[in-house]
Amino acid sequence: AQTVTQSQPEMSVQEAETVTLSCTYDTSESDYYLFWYKQPPSRQMILVIRQEAYKQQNATENRFSVNFQKAAKSFSLKISDSQLGDAAMYFCAYRRETGAGSYQLTFGKGTKLSVIP
Amino acid sequence: NAGVTQTPKFQVLKTGQSMTLQCAQDMNHNSMYWYRQDPGMGLRLIYYSASEGTTDKGEVPNGYNVSRLNKREFSLRLESAAPSQTSVYFCASISGRVGSGNTIYFGEGSWLTVV
Repeated sequence: AQTVTQSQPEMSVQEAETVTLSCTYDTSESDYYLFWYKQPPSRQMILVIRQEAYKQQNATENRFSVNFQKAAKSFSLKISDSQLGDAAMYFCAYRRETGAGSYQLTFGKGTKLSVIP
Repeated sequence: NAGVTQTPKFQVLKTGQSMTLQCAQDMNHNSMYWYRQDPGMGLRLIYYSASEGTTDKGEVPNGYNVSRLNKREFSLRLESAAPSQTSVYFCASISGRVGSGNTIYFGEGSWLTVV
């Protein structure tokens, strides 16, 4: 079974600084998607960024970027110029197609990010 | 608004009572999922439905049943609620269409307390 591991239960960063959240996953597949989701105290799940495994170029979305190392099965999230609004729980997720329209979806346990003013 | 709608948002149950959490999506998605979220445990899959008419167990199915009523709706039922089922429940869906953006859509969550 695929697993997703987030080894940092909690992280903190100074406002305006950069922080990297780690995620590793276990799979024997070559075609899959990886996601980072943000969950603020409201519990809403917000897509931060996604990466297609067959694309070598790392995805970026404004202040958010990933370091995708396919061979190492690593998918870390870098947040630059951290803002108070970035404080949240962050989940790494893995998705692969298992059949026609059927998808396996696995989440890590999350990393709680605090931003220090 | 397009997206995934869950009801109810909040519910308090007594031990032994039954209830159904409703989930509907209006994006014509094939795959739908029910997760529960507990502190320190992340999101754990309860049941999922790859397509209309099919359902499969996830990581923590005990104490739950599901119904994929049609392509839009996927409900989660607690037949005899227990305090261990106190949690926040999320419904999610994914499009099966190539080039759809492959985004996972979540409902806003249902906060369930069993006393």
